[in-house]
Amino acid sequence: TQLLEQSPQFLSIQEGENLTVYCNSSSVFSSLQWYRQEPGEGPVLLVTVVTGGEVKKLKRLTFQFGDARKDSSLHITAAQPGDTGLYLCAGTKNSGGSNYKLTFGKGTLLTVNP
Amino acid sequence: EAGVVQSPRYKIIEKKQPVAFWCNPISGHNTLYWYRQNLGQGPELLIRYENEEAVDDSQLPKDRFSAERLKGVDSTLKIQPAELGDSAVYLCASSLDSSQETQYFGPGTRLLVL
Repeated sequence: TQLLEQSPQFLSIQEGENLTVYCNSSSVFSSLQWYRQEPGEGPVLLVTVVTGGEVKKLKRLTFQFGDARKDSSLHITAAQPGDTGLYLCAGTKNSGGSNYKLTFGKGTLLTVNP
Repeated sequence: EAGVVQSPRYKIIEKKQPVAFWCNPISGHNTLYWYRQNLGQGPELLIRYENEEAVDDSQLPKDRFSAERLKGVDSTLKIQPAELGDSAVYLCASSLDSSQETQYFGPGTRLLVL
């Protein structure tokens, strides 16, 4: 059972375009993280959202956590070739005070063409 | 500060052969994780260590997989014997402790079983 569904699975756009990718679940998470993974590398944490309705911005990237803490979106403005990579969302659930266990989605593979 | 180090970066073996992966976490990080990432999927947790103790190995296929973290620092993950379906990227991650949501990933070892 895939707890976190990411869409679209693949996205190819031109430099300068805007895009939004989604991470949806039927489960409530205590927090949700977004990672970017470049070819041949491990995932790198971009942001953690904790509060329902929370919006965080990281330069041209805007992250939103759904009010019910079941879904999240990542919006990129004016995409650049350097944004190319696999974008993974991962949820955590409180487990006796230990937030260690990450459940990852399958990811959205983004290609930004020059 | 050095990140999580993994070796080898790539490994090609024939089925039924043994293989071992090594991980050196970030200095001072007590919690170490091994994940497996299949092609087109997000990482899935195999085992989590708190210092030298394996506190969650519920997802580790114990018939052929083993892991150790003898001195609570470096860790090795072994597969014996390897099967075709074991082809994947094996990622190591570390965090200060299990209450920390931020995990730092290494670059991974790409295993191809022929």
